Amino acid sequence: DTAVSQTPKYLVTQMGNDKSIKCEQNLGHDTMYWYKQDSKKFLKIMFSYNNKELIINETVPNRFSPKSPDKAHLNLHINSLELGDSAVYFCASSQDRWVGRKNTEAFFGQGTRLTVV
Amino acid sequence: ELKVEQNPLFLSMQEGKNYTIYCNYSTTSDRLYWYRQDPGKSLESLFVLLSNGAVKQEGRLMASLDTKARLSTLHITAAVHDLSATYFCAVTDGGATNKLIFGTGTLLAVQP
Repeated sequence: DTAVSQTPKYLVTQMGNDKSIKCEQNLGHDTMYWYKQDSKKFLKIMFSYNNKELIINETVPNRFSPKSPDKAHLNLHINSLELGDSAVYFCASSQDRWVGRKNTEAFFGQGTRLTVV
Repeated sequence: ELKVEQNPLFLSMQEGKNYTIYCNYSTTSDRLYWYRQDPGKSLESLFVLLSNGAVKQEGRLMASLDTKARLSTLHITAAVHDLSATYFCAVTDGGATNKLIFGTGTLLAVQP
């Protein structure tokens, strides 16, 4: 029943490892996003895909690579993890790529708390 | 570049009191959203404000939007403990991709 679901919810890993976070939405939305929330709770967009096409690619290290196999899934792969990557990563989706058009709003997953040790 | 600021960053208030959270943004936008986040939880959409002068109310919360002043307010009436959470406003940047830019968040703690 969960609209936007992420796995895993918690991820503890060592520096230098490679890890992936998966996201799936069952809302039939066309657009999906990855946001990073830091320790001060500041939320910043990282990526957005619309129908499997990358439309937002913010300035993030190229160790972060999103992948969208279909419009219901958007995964985030992180290579060579660093201590500074520790944060909560949120996946979100919206019906339309133009957030704000036609009353489009973004729906968020429960977050993945990544801790790099 | 669109900047979204909220104040206060932290608000401790007593049950039964009224207070207002302010959200200012730096460039023109006519779409503003308020979200609530409980500790360790996801973001829950509270209000979607789509035009100048829009006002929406849900229970003890009322949100308004003044696009000319680039200001939105979230007013809390007769606060109760259950309202304790972090509240975010977010604004679309109106660019080619219409990114949603979040404010800094306001941590609200309602004390008995």
